[in-house]
Amino acid sequence: NAGVTQTPKFRVLKTGQSMTLLCAQDMNHEYMYWYRQDPGMGLRLIHYSVGEGTTAKGEVPDGYNVSRLKKQNFLLGLESAAPSQTSVYFCASSYMGSTEAFFGQGTRLTVV
Amino acid sequence: DQQVKQNSPSLSVQEGRISILNCDYTNSMFDYFLWYKKYPAEGPTFLISISSIKDKNEDGRFTVFLNKSAKHLSLHIVPSQPGDSAVYFCAASEWNTGNQFYFGTGTSLTVIP
Repeated sequence: NAGVTQTPKFRVLKTGQSMTLLCAQDMNHEYMYWYRQDPGMGLRLIHYSVGEGTTAKGEVPDGYNVSRLKKQNFLLGLESAAPSQTSVYFCASSYMGSTEAFFGQGTRLTVV
Repeated sequence: DQQVKQNSPSLSVQEGRISILNCDYTNSMFDYFLWYKKYPAEGPTFLISISSIKDKNEDGRFTVFLNKSAKHLSLHIVPSQPGDSAVYFCAASEWNTGNQFYFGTGTSLTVIP
């Protein structure tokens, strides 16, 4: 029972490089989310999706893009990485109408 | 501006005693609140929740209290166990906002055997 799986777990990028973080869930959840966690800031919502083919901006969306082409996958893209995007990124999913979200293990991204 | 605040970054408690973790919020439109627990190198896991129509919710050793007039909630763990040592995040949401939750900065709980 995998739950929510994030790929990769660690990554170092140079400023200006691009990358995509992959989130996959096997619980048939309608909702998926991307958060970032920074020291002293808690978890902040970047983007979220309430269903396949739909996405919406969260609290801190600038510099990121997302896509939800399949229900089970939610991709987070950084087109031109900046040092300010150094963070731990968490993906989560939940059933529609449920307030309990299931989180992945996180991706530690460093931009140098 | 932080809408959900946890003003105590850390807390140490003896095993068997009560742990009380506090959380304050500023948005009066929030009507659903959750606590998550996080171990190092893992994602947060759901612990307990409460809606604004209640002032208390209990699940085993864990109880969440909500004081709407003070915009304050607390998590009580009784009795505390060493395995409870983790970072605890509170989160708040306004219903019908696509499950957008605002998280606090977390409180690191250490239960001393």
